Amino acid sequence: DAGVIQSPRHEVTEMGQEVTLRCKPISGHDYLFWYRQTMMRGLELLIYFNNNVPIDDSGMPEDRFSAKMPNASFSTLKIQPSEPRDSAVYFCASSWDRDYGYTFGSGTRLTVV
Amino acid sequence: KQEVTQIPAALSVPEGENLVLNCSFTDSAIYNLQWFRQDPGKGLTSLLLIQSSQREQTSGRLNASLDKSSGRSTLYIAASQPGDSATYLCAVSTGANSKLTFGKGITLSVRP
Repeated sequence: DAGVIQSPRHEVTEMGQEVTLRCKPISGHDYLFWYRQTMMRGLELLIYFNNNVPIDDSGMPEDRFSAKMPNASFSTLKIQPSEPRDSAVYFCASSWDRDYGYTFGSGTRLTVV
Repeated sequence: KQEVTQIPAALSVPEGENLVLNCSFTDSAIYNLQWFRQDPGKGLTSLLLIQSSQREQTSGRLNASLDKSSGRSTLYIAASQPGDSATYLCAVSTGANSKLTFGKGITLSVRP
């Protein structure tokens, strides 16, 4: 398996633009997680899905952020409109069971100027 | 709310030294605890997973222990090497739906 695949690896955008981050989880994993990592706050859970259904989105910072998982092999995290404070590394992770460890993607480094 | 603390934030040691990285958490009702490694500009790699019913796990030169009652875990690295230089994050799974709460990590530098 190729692991969790995220795209793009890097994204630079202007304030106010829409940004879409993509994730392909490991086949067979029922859980998918979106995390954000910054120097100040570390890794924060934004939202997670179980069997394509959003279970907890309490970490989504505000209405500008939205996430979807239309099928078991694809998820998106959208920011509209983007702001400079959204600059961070966004990670996607998947897992097949809560008792087994997660596999993380390589992340998308987002810079909003 | 679960909080995970890792102190110190950074550590520098000479090659060959045995070292211990500490992790503490506030809510002892965890399902499991994981240690991850993160290299600069890269994603996280899972190193060790300890179930709540276990006391320790070993993989090569790494040994992780868990003391749920005191809310602590340690990652022991034997005979450290420059290639061990990275950030080590501790994370606990809390709640029925597998939420992971991370510490901010310890950045380790092993000097040749």
